[in-house]
Amino acid sequence: AQRVTQPEKLLSVFKGAPVELKCNYSYSGSPELFWYVQYSRQRLQLLLRHISRESIKGFTADLNKGETSFHLKKPFAQEEDSAMYYCALKGAQAAGNKLTFGGGTRVLVKP
Amino acid sequence: EAGVAQSPRYKIIEKRQSVAFWCNPISGHATLYWYQQILGQGPKLLIQFQNNGVVDDSQLPKDRFSAERLKGVDSTLKIQPAKLEDSAVYLCASSLEAGAPYGYTFGSGTRLTVV
Repeated sequence: AQRVTQPEKLLSVFKGAPVELKCNYSYSGSPELFWYVQYSRQRLQLLLRHISRESIKGFTADLNKGETSFHLKKPFAQEEDSAMYYCALKGAQAAGNKLTFGGGTRVLVKP
Repeated sequence: EAGVAQSPRYKIIEKRQSVAFWCNPISGHATLYWYQQILGQGPKLLIQFQNNGVVDDSQLPKDRFSAERLKGVDSTLKIQPAKLEDSAVYLCASSLEAGAPYGYTFGSGTRLTVV
């Protein structure tokens, strides 16, 4: 079974401070991990995916298979980063490639 | 490229009534998903279509929920009869193919309130 856990419901940081959103997963195969973001009054959209090893809007995330984690980090948070963030896991084709989401973390960046 | 279109944006109904949601995916996207997002929770997959066939409907409450994608393009999700706990945002998403090595494109969702 696929499972994604985001232990923090809310993260409140000051502008310019580092922010780290935790994501842990449970999956027996080789997963693909994603971070999605939903800004106020906007649709859910892809932020980044682990296979790209990219930095988007200053955010990075490293897949740690040993710890089954995919934490999202940004060294200097900006006010426009305030949003809901969802970690998601896509299983193998045998599992229908379905995307399983965590419960989400609300990030509030204070001025 | 046009995004995933959903309608209506909002719907308020009384319990035991019926409701239907519509989704038009991105042109050419073979895979379509319906997710339910209850307030304070992450989206939960209800059903996945590949063209007009169902790939996964294991979490769809089939006694009251139904979905179809007759021509492999548009899709409708129906609830009959609705319960209070069905209040949620219903998200439609599409992807080029089920095995695409990237995420999905989501619609804006339909916010359902059952009173």
